[in-house]
Amino acid sequence: GAGVSQSPSNKVTEKGKDVELRCDPISGHTALYWYRQSLGQGLEFLIYFQGNSAPDKSGLPSDRFSAERTGGSVSTLTIQRTQQEDSAVYLCASSRRTASEAFFGQGTRLTVV
Amino acid sequence: GQQLNQSPQSMFIQEGEDVSMNCTSSSIFNTWLWYKQDPGEGPVLLIALYKAGELTSNGRLTAQFGITRKDSFLNISASIPSDVGIYFCAGTRLNSGGSNYKLTFGKGTLLTVNP
Repeated sequence: GAGVSQSPSNKVTEKGKDVELRCDPISGHTALYWYRQSLGQGLEFLIYFQGNSAPDKSGLPSDRFSAERTGGSVSTLTIQRTQQEDSAVYLCASSRRTASEAFFGQGTRLTVV
Repeated sequence: GQQLNQSPQSMFIQEGEDVSMNCTSSSIFNTWLWYKQDPGEGPVLLIALYKAGELTSNGRLTAQFGITRKDSFLNISASIPSDVGIYFCAGTRLNSGGSNYKLTFGKGTLLTVNP
């Protein structure tokens, strides 16, 4: 498709399990971003990729969170040993250059039970 | 850390009314953005502002980049039912390396339009 695609749309997991969230950015977009949106809150920055490198991982909440990007395209956000406070919508965005030009995916709603 | 204070948190208006919402910050931002988010979707960019004092329109939407660089407002005129949604302000700041990749978001304004 032409937009940013995220999968799965919804994920319910048991506390303590690992989850992987996938983002397919728009073709040709070198910048990729992950944000987290908790209920009733704005979006919280997690990590920024330029190509396959992540110059800024400062928003990752703990060492249980990690992300990678391969081939300058697909990115995976991994949460290990999920906790209930990890429940949120995880949004991915991509852009050619700056964040102000970014397009967002529809998000993955993660529920940890 | 940097925060954007967005108000009001929610608004209930009648179709046809005008709406105004704003964002303020204690820090200077070099870009101000306004997004709309529908249920189950990601935010969609409505208006981007790049210069202090800039006033930009997009159809019934008008937004301004405050002269102090610490605030912005969004106006929606003659509201219609499809304007319902959550509106977010966001901003970027230049870091020490000259990059502005990080968006800082307000907490959103939930708009309800009664037909």
